Amino acid sequence: DGGITQSPKYLFRKEGQNVTLSCEQNLNHDAMYWYRQDPGQGLRLIYYSQIVNDFQKGDIAEGYSVSREKKESFPLTVTSAQKNPTAFYLCASSTGQRGSNQPQHFGDGTRLSIL
Amino acid sequence: KQEVTQIPAALSVPEGENLVLNCSFTDSAIYNLQWFRQDPGKGLTSLLLIQSSQREQTSGRLNASLDKSSGRSTLYIAASQPGDSATYLCAVKSSASKIIFGSGTRLSIRP
Repeated sequence: DGGITQSPKYLFRKEGQNVTLSCEQNLNHDAMYWYRQDPGQGLRLIYYSQIVNDFQKGDIAEGYSVSREKKESFPLTVTSAQKNPTAFYLCASSTGQRGSNQPQHFGDGTRLSIL
Repeated sequence: KQEVTQIPAALSVPEGENLVLNCSFTDSAIYNLQWFRQDPGKGLTSLLLIQSSQREQTSGRLNASLDKSSGRSTLYIAASQPGDSATYLCAVKSSASKIIFGSGTRLSIRP
């Protein structure tokens, strides 16, 4: 079945450590997104990518980095510069055509905690 | 700046009741509005997508309406069931790449 796979489901980070969250999709979607969700809040956009080898900062990109070397993969690195990384991270994808009204598809998320 | 608000933050109703969830947004210049369902510890599942030119969309027991002029959308759930218990989020697409989410309404259906 087509879908989005995020791994790991749970992740723990030590002080000063960088960690990378994986997101893979087999939907052949051009656009991929990373969101952060804090308790009782909506989703906030970290980074998005409309096409391979291109990505743009979202509303809260500081302390995060991404790459888009392959269409199906969009890993997110939470760097040591992100001082409050504890949150639920969601990856999404869509067809990504400019002006497209296609719905976004979401993975099941990664919960990141600080040790 | 587009802002999306969902009130109430939580709602509890007995099984079988019809109910309405509310979503309001501040800028009427939108591409579309989408309703999602989120189960605890899970990602989001798209329920209904209303294009800016549409007034409503229906899927099974769900009906979503859109009134751009007043900046409002409602999600109507008919004959609610315990399995409908989840958090419901609305999201407004205000540009080709910008989607703004509300903070959600946590719905609990009592058997």
